[in-house]
Amino acid sequence: GAVVSQHPSRVICKSGTSVKIECRSLDFQATTMFWYRQFPKQSLMLMATSNEGSKATYEQGVEKDKFLINHASLTLSTLTVTSAHPEDSSFYICSANRDRSLYEQYFGPGTRLTVT
Amino acid sequence: GEDVEQSLFLSVREGDSSVINCTYTDSSSTYLYWYKQEPGAGLQLLTYIFSNMDMKQDQRLTVLLNKKDKHLSLRIADTQTGDSAIYFCAEKPKAAGNKLTFGGGTRVLVKP
Repeated sequence: GAVVSQHPSRVICKSGTSVKIECRSLDFQATTMFWYRQFPKQSLMLMATSNEGSKATYEQGVEKDKFLINHASLTLSTLTVTSAHPEDSSFYICSANRDRSLYEQYFGPGTRLTVT
Repeated sequence: GEDVEQSLFLSVREGDSSVINCTYTDSSSTYLYWYKQEPGAGLQLLTYIFSNMDMKQDQRLTVLLNKKDKHLSLRIADTQTGDSAIYFCAEKPKAAGNKLTFGGGTRVLVKP
């Protein structure tokens, strides 16, 4: 299967600071990537669709000014959590569709964010 | 509407078969997926089935799709302790582009 990486795997930050999470497709190009949030023992909640070279599409209820998404290349999307608060603590997972087989969506290993 | 449901928990003995069930509501879904998540990790794509298929087999995994009842199942033969994880089914509704809708996940515990 295709490989998607995320960095960092874990991050602890103080309230009010910003944190950037990277999502990379290592062996394929991905015009579209997705960012999810997962609370403990719950399913994945889609936050936004990241589109290479254009603005991200946010799901209803997700603050675009708080969760900044940049998809600057065909292999990299970044999620920046701005002015983080303890309630932003969560597991953030990205995924990517291979451009040549859009029905296969591959997930990164996730980033555990803890805001103190 | 979009709603994917799964049972919360399944306990199975090592060597037995596991069957995880899922129901979905969007009949336009073109693909249906099974993902596995181990503790603290991302999701691993196990298998998927196209909506015009009834069954797909891949080694120990068998996916059955009943489009009429909107029911999807995953059978794991000869379940091993390494199969203990959370299993998510997901649908890709036609109108949603490449977005997936996930079920709540089924926690599978394999006992020796």
